[in-house]
Formats: sequence, C-alpha cells, structure tokens
Amino acid sequence: EVQLVESGGGLVQPGGSLRLSCEAFGFTFDDHAIHWVRQSPGKGPEWVSGINWLSTNIAYADAVKGRFTISRDNAKNSLYLQMNSLRVEDTALYYCAKDHDRYAFWSGYLDVWGKGTTVTVSS
Amino acid sequence: QTVVTQEPSISVSPGGTVTLTCGLTSDSVSTSAHPSWYQQTPGQAPRALIYDTDLRSSGVPDRFSGSILGNKAALTITGAQADDECDYYCVLYLGRGISLFGGGTKLTVV
Repeated sequence: EVQLVESGGGLVQPGGSLRLSCEAFGFTFDDHAIHWVRQSPGKGPEWVSGINWLSTNIAYADAVKGRFTISRDNAKNSLYLQMNSLRVEDTALYYCAKDHDRYAFWSGYLDVWGKGTTVTVSS
Repeated sequence: QTVVTQEPSISVSPGGTVTLTCGLTSDSVSTSAHPSWYQQTPGQAPRALIYDTDLRSSGVPDRFSGSILGNKAALTITGAQADDECDYYCVLYLGRGISLFGGGTKLTVV
C-alpha cells in the first residue's frame, strides 16, 4: 500500500527543537520530491518546505527559513524536518506529501499524504 | 508580502454551477503559477482535485474543472452535490521553489 507515515511530533517549549520524520512505503521514494505542509487548528494548509529526489533542490517558506532544515535519506525511504527556534505560531499538524510527477520539484499535484504528526509549542 | 486570495465562503444550490477563484495580491495569476486546487473535509488531509491549471487528478469526476478567468485561477463545479460541501484551497507556485496556499473557500450546498 502506498503511504507516508509521519512521527516525531510533541510538546516543546518556545525556543526548543524537534525533528520530524516521514517514512514512505509502497512506491519508489527516490523518484519523487516530498513536501512538508502544516495546518494550524482551524486554519488552512500552509506549505512549509520541499526537497527534490536528489536533494539538489530545496526550498522553504519565509516563515520557517533559517530555522527549519529539510533532508532525506533515500536508502531509508525517509524524509526529515529539523525544527529549531520553535515559536508558538509553529503549532500545527505537520503532513508530509508526495509529488505525483517523477523527478519534478513541484507539479502542484500532491497525491499521497500522511496522517500528520502534531507539534505543539507552548510554555 | 504576497497573499493568495480566495472567497471566504460561497453557496450553491444542489445541481447548480459554482466558480471559486484564486488570485494574488501582487500580480495576475497565469499558468506559470501552476494553479492547483485541493478539497478538504474535516479531519482529513487535503485531496488534490486539479493541478497545473486544468488537469484533473486521478479519480476526480469531470464536473470539477480548472481554468484561468481574467487574472485569477478558477475552479468550477458543475452539478453541485451535497457531498461537495467542504473547504477548497488553491495553491500557487511563486517561483524559487516556493508555493503558497490560499486561505480557502468554505462551500455550502443548500
């Protein structure tokens, strides 16, 4: 079954760090860009970061640039998001999502989504 | 700061046709922004409906269609059904690898 499974969320104080993971199953992971998308309670989704199949093309939303780092390990079929200097406004459900097109960075078609992992930043 | 704009809420009658739009505060929307549309029901991840302006995602019925109308991207639903009632989000590619979701439109079928 094609799926993505996120983990690593939790409760952290402002200024703290967390590392999210996303493990892929059922498709050729290293053919596809993967993106992190977050959604705060009651709000719409927000694109956070993306990485292409070779890790040669990486991008971040302005809101997280300089604090978050995306990476992937194709040998482990896994994607990561290192989140530092966390703020209250980073509180959200974090999804990883697969781009449909092989070898593209962004086709706009995120066809497989995980169930998400919850990050809560609070003192 | 660039913002992607959508109507906060729209109503449509069952069987009717409705168009949701997606604009940019800083510019017109063209096909180069690769507009995509996502549908989201409560408690679920977003589901892709339309990508690259007018391409339907796998399994999406043809009563959903995408286009550019004037200076905005548009999602048209023809023959609205009760289970179309949910939130719709557009996404635009701004360049330099950055994409931006709109604030969403809550569609009511009544």
